[in-house]
Amino acid sequence: AQKVTQAQTEISVVEKEDVTLDCVYETRDTTYYLFWYKQPPSGELVFLIRRNSFDEQNEISGRYSWNFQKSTSSFNFTITASQVVDSAVYFCALRGFYNQGGKLIFGQGTELSVKP
Amino acid sequence: DVKVTQSSRYLVKRTGEKVFLECVQDMDHENMFWYRQDPGLGLRLIYFSYDVKMKEKGDIPEGYSVSREKKERFSLILESASTNQTSMYLCASRTGRPGEKLFFGSGTQLSVL
Repeated sequence: AQKVTQAQTEISVVEKEDVTLDCVYETRDTTYYLFWYKQPPSGELVFLIRRNSFDEQNEISGRYSWNFQKSTSSFNFTITASQVVDSAVYFCALRGFYNQGGKLIFGQGTELSVKP
Repeated sequence: DVKVTQSSRYLVKRTGEKVFLECVQDMDHENMFWYRQDPGLGLRLIYFSYDVKMKEKGDIPEGYSVSREKKERFSLILESASTNQTSMYLCASRTGRPGEKLFFGSGTQLSVL
């Protein structure tokens, strides 16, 4: 079975603080993909990043960075110098390579609130 | 840019009504999905379709059916709406290539009274 766990339901920080959103996954597939999506108050989920299981290199995109560690089955997301516009619900998701139709398994989501 | 359009942002229905939620995508994507989003539960897959007239049950298909008569349109049907189907419904689409990202619509907040 495949599963994604985001243990942090809500996080509240003050602007300019760094914040890390945790994601732990379970899968028996040797090939799989991991994703992060952002859901702002408007409701539409926005794609942030995709990593495949063979690429453990960490990635940085502006204030966003991702730490993928297969040894601990984790794919954590860090926002540096957070801003009010980062306030949203963030979802981590997993797709096994052989999932028919590209089915994504989502975590429960972490609601991030960045206060000015 | 890919656009996934859901017909209604908010919908209020009565128990027992038949409800249709429509979703249209404009990028010729093979795969389309219906998710349900509830607080604390994340997104749960109801049904998906990988081709016209092809459909597969997701994790929570009970009480729902779907229709995909044309490639661009994927409809979710609540045969007899119940209060426990009050939720946010999200439609998504993607290409058939492995690892491709999902594109989502803005969602339909359905309230069943």
